[in-house]
Amino acid sequence: AQSVSQHNHHVILSEAASLELGCNYSYGGTVNLFWYVQYPGQHLQLLLKYFSGDPLVKGIKGFEAEFIKSKFSFNLRKPSVQWSDTAEYFCAVNVQAAGNKLTFGGGTRVLVKP
Amino acid sequence: SAVISQKPSRDICQRGTSLTIQCQVDSQVTMMFWYRQQPGQSLTLIATANQGSEATYESGFVIDKFPISRPNLTFSTLTVSNMSPEDSSIYLCSVIRQGTEQFFGPGTRLTVL
Repeated sequence: AQSVSQHNHHVILSEAASLELGCNYSYGGTVNLFWYVQYPGQHLQLLLKYFSGDPLVKGIKGFEAEFIKSKFSFNLRKPSVQWSDTAEYFCAVNVQAAGNKLTFGGGTRVLVKP
Repeated sequence: SAVISQKPSRDICQRGTSLTIQCQVDSQVTMMFWYRQQPGQSLTLIATANQGSEATYESGFVIDKFPISRPNLTFSTLTVSNMSPEDSSIYLCSVIRQGTEQFFGPGTRLTVL
């Protein structure tokens, strides 16, 4: 079965700092990759997704992620964070052969200090 | 996107009782899923709710504990049966739209005493 690992459980940074969250998955076949965000008190929202094509994917709110197939990684980045980016971020993988079921990483709580 | 509502939004229940959670979608969808998010943890897929047939459960989840109904393409229910404090979680339904993109409901926060 596939698994998803997020390297950091908690990240604290100041506004305007750069953010990078690591995500690695274990599956050798074709996958779709996602980053979801859960703001305090809100439900999960899709930040960005990768299905195929350009491995550098741009999402909402200035986020981007790069798929590196050789490293089984899909790291999330934002050049300059804002206080409103305080949230929990989840990486998720969907194995195309497994019928659209999502496997989630453990999540990373990001706190941006004003 | 999809508009997904869940009822109830939260509940506090006594152990040994059962709770049925409803998930309503604003338009027909092919695939619906139920997830659990235990305190401080990530989301775990419970089952795929199949319209017109029995749900497909993931390893570690069984129909007797989590019976699921899907009477049509816009509605599903998940029942948490014979609850114990370990069932305290957020339960979320999700749907597939636009290929493989999943949209999530607001969740039902369950506390079992």
